[in-house]
Amino acid sequence: DAKTTQPPSMDCAEGRAANLPCNHSTISGNEYVYWYRQIHSQGPQYIIHGLKNNETNEMASLIITEDRKSSTLILPHATLRDTAVYYCIVRVNYGGSQGNLIFGKGTKLSVKP
Amino acid sequence: NAGVTQTPKFQVLKTGQSMTLQCAQDMNHEYMSWYRQDPGMGLRLIHYSVGAGITDQGEVPNGYNVSRSTTEDFPLRLLSAAPSQTSVYFCASSKQGYQYFGAGTRLSVL
Repeated sequence: DAKTTQPPSMDCAEGRAANLPCNHSTISGNEYVYWYRQIHSQGPQYIIHGLKNNETNEMASLIITEDRKSSTLILPHATLRDTAVYYCIVRVNYGGSQGNLIFGKGTKLSVKP
Repeated sequence: NAGVTQTPKFQVLKTGQSMTLQCAQDMNHEYMSWYRQDPGMGLRLIHYSVGAGITDQGEVPNGYNVSRSTTEDFPLRLLSAAPSQTSVYFCASSKQGYQYFGAGTRLSVL
C-alpha cells in the first residue's frame, strides 16, 4: 500500500473551514484515499473516501488532485467537537471489504474558539 | 443496532495471567479485525478475519490468539500477559468498504 504523509498538527478557528492535506505520491491506480478521525481516545470514525473524483458527504469534502498524488480533507465549518486526530489512509478496495488499514500518526487538528 | 461492542472497557492484569477480550457486531459483517494503539501512535493490526472459520495474522500477532466461530463474534485471547501488551485495543468490522470501530478496551499489565 502507498505511504501517506500528513502534518503532525494543525489549528483552526471555530466556524472556519479546516483543510487537512495528505501526500500520497506513490499511490497506485486502484488505491482509494480514506479518511478517518479519532476523537480523544475513542475508536476511529470513518469520514469519507474517494478514488479520483472529488467527494462530499454530510461530514466533509475530499478533494483529490488530478495526478492523485495528494488530497485535502475539508471540514467546511469546524466546531470544537471536530478536535481530533485525522488519519489519511491509502488502500485498495477488495471487493467491498476494505481489508486491513495501515494507520500512520495522522494530523492532530485543534479547533479553537 | 448496537454496532461493534467491546467488553470489558477496562482491565488490569498481572504478568502471566490470561484473558479474553470480547468483540461482537450486529451488522452481519464478514470482515472483523483487532488493532492495538500505544500512546501517541497510530493503530496496528493484530489479527483479522474475512469470515467465520477464517483468521489471519496482522502486523503484531505475537502473544495473541483469535478464533471466529460465528459471524457476530471475534474474541481476542492473551495467552500470558506481558507489560508490553499494555495498550488500548480496538475491534472493527467492515462490509461496504469502510470499517466501524468499537469503543476500545484499555488494558494494563502490571
